[in-house]
Amino acid sequence: ETGVTQSPTHLIKTRGQQVTLRCSSQSGHNTVSWYQQALGQGPQFIFQYYREEENGRGNFPPRFSGLQFPNYSSELNVNALELDDSALYLCASSSGYADTQYFGPGTRLTVL
Amino acid sequence: GENVEQHPSTLSVQEGDSAVIKCTYSDSASNYFPWYKQELGKRPQLIIDIRSNVGEKKDQRIAVTLNKTAKHFSLHITETQPEDSAVYFCAASITTGGYNKLIFGAGTRLAVHP
Repeated sequence: ETGVTQSPTHLIKTRGQQVTLRCSSQSGHNTVSWYQQALGQGPQFIFQYYREEENGRGNFPPRFSGLQFPNYSSELNVNALELDDSALYLCASSSGYADTQYFGPGTRLTVL
Repeated sequence: GENVEQHPSTLSVQEGDSAVIKCTYSDSASNYFPWYKQELGKRPQLIIDIRSNVGEKKDQRIAVTLNKTAKHFSLHITETQPEDSAVYFCAASITTGGYNKLIFGAGTRLAVHP
């Protein structure tokens, strides 16, 4: 069984740029949730994708968007990057939208 | 609002001692409470979880208790070892409107000294 994977591991961007982060869900999982973890804090829920549809969203602006593909992998896109977007971005997959979430290793995004 | 408070923020114990981390949640609709361990530079790793229809759960040296009335849940680690050193996060799960989200506490940095 393959665990949750994310790419890239690290990314450096400048303010105003756009970024795409990728997540491959664990085998057999159809749900992906994305979280933002600022340094020294707990993860904050961005949104959840279930069977290729965004089915829930946290308190993040529309410049945070996503996709889920037929193989249940997912992308997180962030437009018009701001300095405060610097964080560890985690995705978690689960076998259903209400089931236990297993996290990937994260992508460390630095915005300069 | 949805909030999880976690205490203490840092905890230092001697090897072999017990460690207790406490969390309080605000949303009475929360029905699932996982605990994650995050080592430096690594992913949050699920170590134990409990559902709202259970008051206590144990897995070897780790136990979790839940008091739904008080909206409290706690993590207990016995016979601590240096490899238990990490940041521990509690979370409360809310399922609403056809989706589920985890609300995390701010974390507890546990240091186990040999």
